[in-house]
Amino acid sequence: SQKIEQNSEALNIQEGKTATLTCNYTNYSPAYLQWYRQDPGRGPVFLLLIRENEKEKRKERLKVTFDTTLKQSLFHITASQPADSATYLCALAGYSSASKIIFGSGTRLSIRP
Amino acid sequence: EPEVTQTPSHQVTQMGQEVILRCVPISNHLYFYWYRQILGQKVEFLVSFYNNEISEKSEIFDDQFSVERPDGSNFTLKIRSTKLEDSAMYFCASVDYNEQFFGPGTRLTVL
Repeated sequence: SQKIEQNSEALNIQEGKTATLTCNYTNYSPAYLQWYRQDPGRGPVFLLLIRENEKEKRKERLKVTFDTTLKQSLFHITASQPADSATYLCALAGYSSASKIIFGSGTRLSIRP
Repeated sequence: EPEVTQTPSHQVTQMGQEVILRCVPISNHLYFYWYRQILGQKVEFLVSFYNNEISEKSEIFDDQFSVERPDGSNFTLKIRSTKLEDSAMYFCASVDYNEQFFGPGTRLTVL
């Protein structure tokens, strides 16, 4: 069955450093992969989307890479700030316009001042 | 900025009762989703909806669940006979160019 794994439940880093989160998947060939931020008690907030034919995407301090051979995506936050502390979710989608979206269980990122 | 809204924010019900969760998607979006998130667990896909039809549904979305868009603006999720294990946050999302806009969620508590 399709499976998504995010490398760790929790990650603690020092403010100003780069946070790197990993998303691995098996038994799936997604059309695209997304990253979301979720704060406690709130709905996920879309951050970035990367398609299967793209290697890298950037948005301000965020960078996503996608390796369909390794079946892995890396999500980087550069110059991290305490306000970046949240749970980050990766999600995979198929090719149809309203396809099923599969979410990973998330990595809880804490940035200490 | 337009946003997805959901009502109620919290619903408490007795086991076996029917509940209807309501969502107002962003007005020009065409694709809509329901998800649930049991406390401390991952966001789980329930159903996607387009052109007044279900596009895809998960194995969770059994005969007890139904969705409809009764009036062109609201998008509802009905659970006919709630079970204890239906207790969760339920999120609605509307989609524009593959970007999902999530609502704030409805916390459903089944007693």
